[in-house]
Amino acid sequence: SQTIHQWPATLVQPVGSPLSLECTVEGTSNPNLYWYRQAAGRGLQLLFYSVGIGQISSEVPQNLSASRPQDRQFILSSKKLLLSDSGFYLCAWREDRYGPQHFGDGTRLSIL
Amino acid sequence: GESVGLHLPTLSVQEGDNSIINCAYSNSASDYFIWYKQESGKGPQFIIDIRSNMDKRQGQRVTVLLNKTVKHLSLQIAATQPGDSAVYFCAESPQGGSEKLVFGKGTKLTVNP
Repeated sequence: SQTIHQWPATLVQPVGSPLSLECTVEGTSNPNLYWYRQAAGRGLQLLFYSVGIGQISSEVPQNLSASRPQDRQFILSSKKLLLSDSGFYLCAWREDRYGPQHFGDGTRLSIL
Repeated sequence: GESVGLHLPTLSVQEGDNSIINCAYSNSASDYFIWYKQESGKGPQFIIDIRSNMDKRQGQRVTVLLNKTVKHLSLQIAATQPGDSAVYFCAESPQGGSEKLVFGKGTKLTVNP
């Protein structure tokens, strides 16, 4: 069966520091991969998605970037975090464009 | 533009009652719809999906109804339990498949014992 892992579960970072959040998927090949941010009590905002290694689509202009160095690895990064980057970050995978997305348990990021 | 919204942001029910969570969508070309459940501090969990060639689909204690005429989607939960308390999101996918899903804002379901 397929599983998705995100880490860390929680992270507290100072303003201006770098960020690296990692997501890996097991049990599937060539999945679509997604990064979302969710503000408290709000819906899901799509940040990036990838349909293959090295292929990244950005949905909103921001202080973040994404990379997909391996088929089942998706990384969310920032060179200098802003206060507004605080939130709950979710990674998801999808086997093809006709099925549901499956989510990890997220990373709670707090910027101080 | 594409949007998926909800009629009610919160819903409170008694344990054992049936729950109905509604969702309106605006893109008549969408042909695939999904319901997710999100518990506090966790990622959304897939519940059930339905394609536009169907108007009803049933799972374990859950039923999704799709009314394409009025662009309305609903999730029915039978015999609601305290463990059903969560935020429920609907999502849609444009016709022909898309890498992206459009998510609604969510409805918070509270089950009172």
